[in-house]
Amino acid sequence: DTGVSQDPRHKITKRGQNVTFRCDPISEHNRLYWYRQTLGQGPEFLTYFQNEAQLEKSRLLSDRFSAERPKGSFSTLEIQRTEQGDSAMYLCASSPPRGLAGWTGELFFGEGSRLTVL
Amino acid sequence: AQSVTQLGSHVSVSEGALVLLRCNYSSSVPPYLFWYVQYPNQGLQLLLKYTTGATLVKGINGFEAEFKKSETSFHLTKPSAHMSDAAEYFCAVSDRGNNNDMRFGAGTRLTVKP
Repeated sequence: DTGVSQDPRHKITKRGQNVTFRCDPISEHNRLYWYRQTLGQGPEFLTYFQNEAQLEKSRLLSDRFSAERPKGSFSTLEIQRTEQGDSAMYLCASSPPRGLAGWTGELFFGEGSRLTVL
Repeated sequence: AQSVTQLGSHVSVSEGALVLLRCNYSSSVPPYLFWYVQYPNQGLQLLLKYTTGATLVKGINGFEAEFKKSETSFHLTKPSAHMSDAAEYFCAVSDRGNNNDMRFGAGTRLTVKP
């Protein structure tokens, strides 16, 4: 179990540029979540995948944001035409199938990808 | 939809003193409740969780929390604070439905004074 990994850990970009973050979940986890965390706030839910299907999207996920999980394994979160308000920590989490013995609803988080938009 | 309120954005205690971080939740169904800890520039690490059964749950690093349905609370405590406990603490709630989307409080920053 190598844990949830996110890449890059830090990204500095200029306003208007596009950025992409990648998340590799724990291998046997079929559920994957993206959260956004701004300074001094708790993580805010963005979107959720079960296998390759995107089952829920927050209204926070504007049309400049798109997330994919094409083969039900890793996921990408792309932000187009970045704005200064997009500066935040983007957290990825995963969880095992709900029917798995011992399932408790716990989410396993990665270290996060910090975005700074200048 | 479920939600969480953490009372007190900053809590400061002396080393060796009791730690009490407050969390109240709102949920239309029996909730799952969690406490996570976050150190600077790191992700979230689970401290403890309540799902069913015993309402007093023990976690890592000497922390524990008690689920009180009548008060809709899940406060986090530790009898004796250590300098290494200084971090941001988040209470979270998730429903028991298929989506399992977790909602977090705004967090409480714990400072431990020598």
